Amino acid sequence: EAQVTQNPRYLITVTGKKLTVTCSQNMNHEYMSWYRQDPGLGLRQIYYSMNVEVTDKGDVPEGYKVSRKEKRNFPLILESPSPNQTSLYFCASSFRRGNSPLHFGNGTRLTVT
Amino acid sequence: AQSVTQLGSHVSVSEGALVLLRCNYSSSVPPYLFWYVQYPNQGLQLLLKYTSAATLVKGINGFEAEFKKSETSFHLTKPSAHMSDAAEYFCAVSDPGNNAGNMLTFGGGTRLMVKP
Repeated sequence: EAQVTQNPRYLITVTGKKLTVTCSQNMNHEYMSWYRQDPGLGLRQIYYSMNVEVTDKGDVPEGYKVSRKEKRNFPLILESPSPNQTSLYFCASSFRRGNSPLHFGNGTRLTVT
Repeated sequence: AQSVTQLGSHVSVSEGALVLLRCNYSSSVPPYLFWYVQYPNQGLQLLLKYTSAATLVKGINGFEAEFKKSETSFHLTKPSAHMSDAAEYFCAVSDPGNNAGNMLTFGGGTRLMVKP
């Protein structure tokens, strides 16, 4: 089954404790992206990657890191989480064409206390 | 820069009534336009997309949307609401000329509630 898999689904952590949210897709998509969803703000892009070893900042990259060592994986790293990073996070992937729809994971709800 | 405005963060309709969710965009070039739906505790799923072919686009679950260039709108409609349509809906736009891949700008979302 074609899918984007994120783990974990729920995560509660404390300020400053490094964490990683994993994302994997099995559709051979070149493009992968991370979004955060906050009430009233829709989805805002954090980072994206157009292919292996190619990553770039989205609209809200501060406090986040990513890597793309393999085509299928695109982990999101929070080196020192803060409470303002409490949010719902989505990973998405697609073929690298403007009319290619994004496929989303089921989300990771992160709470930073 | 592109932007998307969804009028009404919450819309409530009765079962069987018309659903109308509004989306207006700004873009310097004719864009690609998308509607996504998010059910509780799930990721976003594509409902339909406009990519410069027919201006009236039909999607899944009986939804459709019409691209109106003069009004810079892409409103989502369904003739008769069903309880299972209760979800959050997102309009999104991308620039066909953007060489940075599939860069979508999302609206703030509209939560649709369906009353029995």
